[in-house]
Amino acid sequence: EVQLVESGGGLVQPGGSLRLSCAASGFTFNNYWMHWVRQAPGKGPEWVANIKPDGAEKNYVDSVKGRFTISRDNAKNSLYLQMSSLRVDDTAVYFCGRAQSGALDYWGQGTLVTVSS
Amino acid sequence: DVVLTQSPLSLPVTPGEPASISCRSSQSLLHNNGYNYLAWYLQKPGQSPQLLIYLGSYRASGVPDRFSGSGSGTDFTLKISRVEAEDVAVYYCMQPLLSPVTFGGGTKVEIK
Repeated sequence: EVQLVESGGGLVQPGGSLRLSCAASGFTFNNYWMHWVRQAPGKGPEWVANIKPDGAEKNYVDSVKGRFTISRDNAKNSLYLQMSSLRVDDTAVYFCGRAQSGALDYWGQGTLVTVSS
Repeated sequence: DVVLTQSPLSLPVTPGEPASISCRSSQSLLHNNGYNYLAWYLQKPGQSPQLLIYLGSYRASGVPDRFSGSGSGTDFTLKISRVEAEDVAVYYCMQPLLSPVTFGGGTKVEIK
């Protein structure tokens, strides 16, 4: 059974940093593109970043470029999102997702990041 | 960026009746491999989005056959042949073809 479990969320002050993790199981992790998607309270999903199976290619939404870094450790079946210079408008539930056949077919349950003073 | 425009914003439905949601893209989502890179999701409160349809018209595993997707290029439709109470949710379209990946604004399906 495919499972994605996010962790690392919490309350952080503006300008602070946080590292999110996504533990994957039930599939061959190093065969898949992986994504981070966030959802602010009461809003729709917003794509944040993705990473190629070998980690050689990474893409970001403009609003996080230079502040967020996506990475993966295929030996640990884990996906990460290092977030720095956090802003109030980064407050959201952050989901990791697996890409397959032109869609994100599996999503984690999400981890809440709250940026507030 | 590709803008996905969903309509309607809200859709009151009667159980047993059909329902239809539109998703229009600002750019063609038809890849030169012949597939349309458009997916549909439903999201219930407090849950992560669940994949319904991928590549425009292919039902994801375990999705009831009352859900169907159609369309090509820039115009896509999600249809529910007979709405059930459990279908109450917000529905989103998503395109992964052109970076950045974008989502539609959502359509809230509720029971009349």
